[in-house]
Amino acid sequence: LAKTTQPISMDSYEGQEVNITCSHNNIATNDYITWYQQFPSQGPRFIIQGYKTKVTNEVASLFIPADRKSSTLSLPRVSLSDTAVYYCLVGDSLRGGADGLTFGKGTHLIIQP
Amino acid sequence: GAGVSQTPSNKVTEKGKYVELRCDPISGHTALYWYRQSLGQGPEFLIYFQGTGAADDSGLPNDRFFAVRPEGSVSTLKIQRTERGDSAVYLCASSPWSSGSRNEQFFGPGTRLTVL
Repeated sequence: LAKTTQPISMDSYEGQEVNITCSHNNIATNDYITWYQQFPSQGPRFIIQGYKTKVTNEVASLFIPADRKSSTLSLPRVSLSDTAVYYCLVGDSLRGGADGLTFGKGTHLIIQP
Repeated sequence: GAGVSQTPSNKVTEKGKYVELRCDPISGHTALYWYRQSLGQGPEFLIYFQGTGAADDSGLPNDRFFAVRPEGSVSTLKIQRTERGDSAVYLCASSPWSSGSRNEQFFGPGTRLTVL
């Protein structure tokens, strides 16, 4: 059973706010939600992480409802350079091993002029 | 500071040959991870080191794959008797493995392996 489900692809335009939602119905009590971004021919890059409510950094915001069965990555005022694949992961790598390291296929976000 | 580096960036080999892929993690990072990424797929976990020991190798597909990290820093992923299905980008990541950086990994650019 997949730990997370995300849309395969999304389109938007420069200057718009983009919200990518990830479903994780079986999230465990101690799991964290982590998002990565990957450009072609590069390794993934950590964007943001949260446990509950809202987290904001200089790049994005992460909204997590009280039941934690989903989360939404929000990218404000996107530009062409935000075109990339975005991955949602749940787990806790501090438990050791492969926990929290399942990437799935991600969401391919395409930003148009 | 320097990020995670991987060598070579590209490796072309023939079916049945042996290859070694190298990863230099960020200095001081105790955790090191290897992933494999095929076209159109997300990274697939292979093995995780905590210090010198392989803490979890459950992602290695079979016994042709092996990885070492003898001094707790540089790691080498070794593939014996390569097959065409081994062609992929092999990614390495490191992490300081602390509660302040939970789930935050720093990835290298990857090694593109092509088996002819």
